[in-house]
Amino acid sequence: EVQLVESGGGLIQPGGSLRLSCAASGFIVSTNYMTWVRQAPGKGLEWVSLLYSGGTTKYADSVKGRFTISKDNSKNTLYLQMDRLRVEDTAVYYCAKTTGRDSSDWPYFESWGQGTLVTVSS
Amino acid sequence: EVVMTQSPATLSVSPGDRATLSCRASQNIRKTLAWYQQRPGQPPRLLIYGASTRATGIPARFSGSGSGTEFTLTISSLQSEDFAVYYCQQYNEWPPITFGQGTRLEIK
Repeated sequence: EVQLVESGGGLIQPGGSLRLSCAASGFIVSTNYMTWVRQAPGKGLEWVSLLYSGGTTKYADSVKGRFTISKDNSKNTLYLQMDRLRVEDTAVYYCAKTTGRDSSDWPYFESWGQGTLVTVSS
Repeated sequence: EVVMTQSPATLSVSPGDRATLSCRASQNIRKTLAWYQQRPGQPPRLLIYGASTRATGIPARFSGSGSGTEFTLTISSLQSEDFAVYYCQQYNEWPPITFGQGTRLEIK
């Protein structure tokens, strides 16, 4: 069974940094595509970043240059390093197992974690 | 950027009735569309991909249709657990991957 467990969220001041983790089980992160999606309080879903199995990364313009997606294959864990945080980055951050180039249809999000809340406020 | 527009914002339907949710793309996205369900306090759940293919474990009362710019999610005979927010997502042209703003399905 696929499981994704996010952690690392919390209250941080504007301009600060935070690293989110997404521990995966039931599948191998290194051979899959992975995504971060966020949801501001009471709002809709916003795609943040996608990591190809081969290491290529893609980012939304709103986070490009500030956020970095990565993985640790030995820990089967996905990360999101968030720097220069802004008030508008406040959201629940979800990681998602993502269909990849080997699928006929990609990318969409097959499995989601429960999310971790990031609050950027002074 | 492909803009996804969902309608209506809120849909009130009685249990046992049919619900029809719409999603429109700002340009032709062929059939590269997914639908997700989000219950309160829960993460989204994949319902449909490729515009019309049900994901694993999704009941047959959920069906998707459409191609190009107009898409529909139909839920026949609504159950209590179906009252939630539904999002469409395109993956034809990206980045960015884009979602609609959501349709809230509420009990009438």
